[in-house]
Amino acid sequence: GAVVSQHPSWVICKSGTSVKIECRSLDFQATTMFWYRQFPKQSLMLMATSNEGSKATYEQGVEKDKFLINHASLTLSTLTVTSAHPEDSSFYICSARDPGQGTEAFFGQGTRLTVV
Amino acid sequence: LAKTTQPISMDSYEGQEVNITCSHNNIATNDYITWYQQFPSQGPRFIIQGYKTKVTNEVASLFIPADRKSSTLSLPRVSLSDTAVYYCLVGDMGRRALTFGSGTRLQVQP
Repeated sequence: GAVVSQHPSWVICKSGTSVKIECRSLDFQATTMFWYRQFPKQSLMLMATSNEGSKATYEQGVEKDKFLINHASLTLSTLTVTSAHPEDSSFYICSARDPGQGTEAFFGQGTRLTVV
Repeated sequence: LAKTTQPISMDSYEGQEVNITCSHNNIATNDYITWYQQFPSQGPRFIIQGYKTKVTNEVASLFIPADRKSSTLSLPRVSLSDTAVYYCLVGDMGRRALTFGSGTRLQVQP
């Protein structure tokens, strides 16, 4: 199946700093990618939809100025957590579909963010 | 996307068959039923997808009754490595994002 790769797998940062997470579709082009956040023992919550060449669409309650999304190419979307705080500590997961492989959605391995 | 209801948790033993049922009473005509598996600190992994009747692959079977208001994921002869959270999703699976419910936490004991 198609591969979606995230980097880094985990990151620790200090409060007030910014962290960038990359999501790449390795063997297909994705005009749309999705970013999720998952807190411990909870389900995945959609944060935003990343659109190649245009602005991201954010879900209600997600601060667009805090979670900056850039989808500059058909294989790369980035999520930048700006001015991170401990409450931003979570598991961030990206997803994309390969148009050539039907309706299955592929997920990255996730990025564990810890803000200290 | 149609709302889904599934048990919060299930326990089983190695070698047993596990059936996880998901209710989706307001499923739409164009909706498919898809199951994902998630291990701790990993992204979800596709297991199986179906529209009606029965679908089987090398990992699981999916049973869907005629009214499509529920579905059952069947895992034959589970092992310890099948301990994970299983999510049932219902939707037309177009270009929109997937919406995850609470999932079922399966614990397989030796």
